[in-house]
Amino acid sequence: SAVISQKPSRDICQRGTSLTIQCQVDSQVTMMFWYRQQPGQSLTLIATANQGSEATYESGFVIDKFPISRPNLTFSTLTVSNMSPEDSSIYLCSVEEGAVVETQYFGPGTRLLVL
Amino acid sequence: AQSVAQPEDQVNVAEGNPLTVKCTYSVSGNPYLFWYVQYPNRGLQFLLKYITGDNLVKGSYGFEAEFNKSQTSFHLKKPSALVSDSALYFCAVRAYGGATNKLIFGTGTLLAVQP
Repeated sequence: SAVISQKPSRDICQRGTSLTIQCQVDSQVTMMFWYRQQPGQSLTLIATANQGSEATYESGFVIDKFPISRPNLTFSTLTVSNMSPEDSSIYLCSVEEGAVVETQYFGPGTRLLVL
Repeated sequence: AQSVAQPEDQVNVAEGNPLTVKCTYSVSGNPYLFWYVQYPNRGLQFLLKYITGDNLVKGSYGFEAEFNKSQTSFHLKKPSALVSDSALYFCAVRAYGGATNKLIFGTGTLLAVQP
């Protein structure tokens, strides 16, 4: 499976600031996904990012708050804008691999604490 | 709408005993079902998936899962638990033939294996 890395692994930020999270994959992939895992909760899909097109956001998530870039087939960024303590979460990127039925593989996550 | 239920927040088992982590699903059409594991301060790791065919699916680290269409269940099992299996386990579903590759995750079950 693809090897996925994320930067930073963790950060502590002040409210009102923004943080950009990077996701790097060691192979070319068509679809990349960004998830949020709030403390003690399950994963929620934020958006799907395809190279060369605008990201598709899930209900409850907007581009102004979570702008996403996908400049090539191995890289994506998620920005958490104008942060508040409610944005404290683990943010994970994932990619799909597989010929018949794709499996999503996840990066190690970015642990964000907003004070 | 697709949904996944993990009825147990926590499962406790003694080392060497068999373990079961329960998952039920609701989806229109044929389901693709997945199990992931999350170790402390780590991202999600793929364990196994069901697409079609044999109802018993074998995966990583000695885990297996049994698909039961009539009960709409996909329980995770292991014949002999290890202390190192202690982690958070997530069941996920994706509908076959759907327009989206979106995974729906359950709320997670914390597995605690006592020595």
